[in-house]
Amino acid sequence: DGGITQSPKYLFRKEGQNVTLSCEQNLNHDAMYWYRQDPGQGLRLIYYSQIVNDFQKGDIAEGYSVSREKKESFPLTVTSAQKNPTAFYLCASSIGTGPRPQHFGDGTRLSIL
Amino acid sequence: DQQVKQNSPSLSVQEGRISILNCDYTNSMFDYFLWYKKYPAEGPTFLISISSIKDKNEDGRFTVFLNKSAKHLSLHIVPSQPGDSAVYFCAASEGQNFVFGPGTRLSVLP
Repeated sequence: DGGITQSPKYLFRKEGQNVTLSCEQNLNHDAMYWYRQDPGQGLRLIYYSQIVNDFQKGDIAEGYSVSREKKESFPLTVTSAQKNPTAFYLCASSIGTGPRPQHFGDGTRLSIL
Repeated sequence: DQQVKQNSPSLSVQEGRISILNCDYTNSMFDYFLWYKKYPAEGPTFLISISSIKDKNEDGRFTVFLNKSAKHLSLHIVPSQPGDSAVYFCAASEGQNFVFGPGTRLSVLP
């Protein structure tokens, strides 16, 4: 079955530590995205990538970094520079560019202790 | 400033009746609109979409209506079922830029 896998589902880290969230897809999709969801708010775009070795900042990229070395993988690093990292993080992918629905993983809930 | 708004945080509907979820947007450059459904602790699941060249799209019990002049879209679910209880997000896109609304929690009562 094709899909998007985010791991882990829950992640706890101490303040000041960098943490990397995993996102893998086997849908052969070109585009991948990272979103952040906070209570009562819609999803906000952190980064997106349309092809391997290329990615673009979204609306709230500060304090985050990404890489896209393989088509299947788009890990997100939450750095210590992110002032309020506790949130629900969602990874998504879509076929190519243009108007296409996005397929989402089940998310990672990050809590900073 | 929210470009995509869902002004009703929650909605309760009796099983078998129609559910109408509303969404307003401000950016006239949006040309593709989507509805997603989300259960707790899961990612959103795509439901239905509509291009700006259409004003209606139907898929089974789900119909999306688009009123471009009012910058308004709505999702109709008929008949509503208890399994439809979830949070519904509308989203609008211009190219690769997807903007999501804050969601409406739908409760379908048996």
